[in-house]
Amino acid sequence: GENVEQHPSTLSVQEGDSAVIKCTYSDSASNYFPWYKQELGKRPQLIIDIRSNVGEKKDQRIAVTLNKTAKHFSLHITETQPEDSAVYFCAANSGAGSYQLTFGKGTKLSVIP
Amino acid sequence: NAGVMQNPRHLVRRRGQEARLRCSPMKGHSHVYWYRQLPEEGLKFMVYLQKENIIDESGMPKERFSAEFPKEGPSILRIQQVVRGDSAAYFCASSQDRGGWTSGRTYEQYFGPGTRLTVT
Repeated sequence: GENVEQHPSTLSVQEGDSAVIKCTYSDSASNYFPWYKQELGKRPQLIIDIRSNVGEKKDQRIAVTLNKTAKHFSLHITETQPEDSAVYFCAANSGAGSYQLTFGKGTKLSVIP
Repeated sequence: NAGVMQNPRHLVRRRGQEARLRCSPMKGHSHVYWYRQLPEEGLKFMVYLQKENIIDESGMPKERFSAEFPKEGPSILRIQQVVRGDSAAYFCASSQDRGGWTSGRTYEQYFGPGTRLTVT
């Protein structure tokens, strides 16, 4: 089955700096990679996703890159703000077209004002 | 436009009791997924259901756990004879179609607020 590794587990940045979170996956057939943000005690919310037919996708201050050959994908947050503080989860579907998502263990991001 | 609803939000059960967790998907969504989240862990897939059908229960323990999504009413995750190790947050998610990438379109899985189960 799919295995998703996520690093780092915790990340502290100064407000205004950039944050990068990296994930690797094991199933070369995976073709859908969403990122979720979860604030304390709240539901996970999709912030961006990418499919395997593109290498990069950007939405305002958030971008995701995908390297299919190396089987890794990364989340980039620029100009971080205190409200970006949360736990971020990467995920990969378990095989092409699969509905089942395998999640990483999460990265706790703290943005220091 | 109500999102995914789950109830109760918090549930306390003694060992050996039964826990029933309910999930109402977003309007227009007929696909439901249940995930379990242990403290400091990611979400782990348990089961995928469509109306009146269990499509994939490969992530669900073989014993004590069951799930259903009847024609009318919410999806229910049922845990019989709960043990302390069942303490976790249980999230359901729904999608318009099979979540992920189907026919070139992406159907996001929308998560509910979760039910935090505590077994004493």
